[in-house]
Amino acid sequence: NAGVTQTPKFQVLKTGQSMTLQCAQDMNHEYMSWYRQDPGMGLRLIHYSVGAGITDQGEVPNGYNVSRSTTEDFPLRLLSAAPSQTSVYFCASSSNTGELFFGEGSRLTVL
Amino acid sequence: GEDVEQSLFLSVREGDSSVINCTYTDSSSTYLYWYKQEPGAGLQLLTYIFSNMDMKQDQRLTVLLNKKDKHLSLRIADTQTGDSAIYFCAELGSARQLTFGSGTQLTVLP
Repeated sequence: NAGVTQTPKFQVLKTGQSMTLQCAQDMNHEYMSWYRQDPGMGLRLIHYSVGAGITDQGEVPNGYNVSRSTTEDFPLRLLSAAPSQTSVYFCASSSNTGELFFGEGSRLTVL
Repeated sequence: GEDVEQSLFLSVREGDSSVINCTYTDSSSTYLYWYKQEPGAGLQLLTYIFSNMDMKQDQRLTVLLNKKDKHLSLRIADTQTGDSAIYFCAELGSARQLTFGSGTQLTVLP
């Protein structure tokens, strides 16, 4: 029972490099989202999607792009990484009651 | 906008009860949640309460909701060392988005 799977778990980038964090869920959830977690700031919503082909911005979308071509996948792209994007990133999908199921997180360091 | 606030740290002795408090601002919240995060892991749902309830009990966990004061609490009875973690309060607001508090680091002392 995989749930929400994120890759990679760890990544180090140089300023200006690009990368994609992958997220897949096998629960047929329509709603998926990306959060970043920084010390003392809890989780902040970056982007979310209410279904295939539909995405929207959250609280901190700048510097990130998303797409949702299938129900299962919701990748997060950093086009030009900055040190301020050093964080732990969590992908989550949601049932109709709003309960979020989280991936294990991706720790990104931008030098 | 929506805001959820929690104190950052709580220490208790093993066997005592822990009470973690949370305040929120969105009066239209439908569900309120408590998540637990252990080191190096994602968040796991502990329990949730619907906004028309005052209390919910689940084994060692008791959730109290004071909707008038927009105050939510989580009581853990007989706290164990395995309960040491960060606990996040979250509300499901009118825009169907979850807003999280900053988390409370619970440390259980032997």
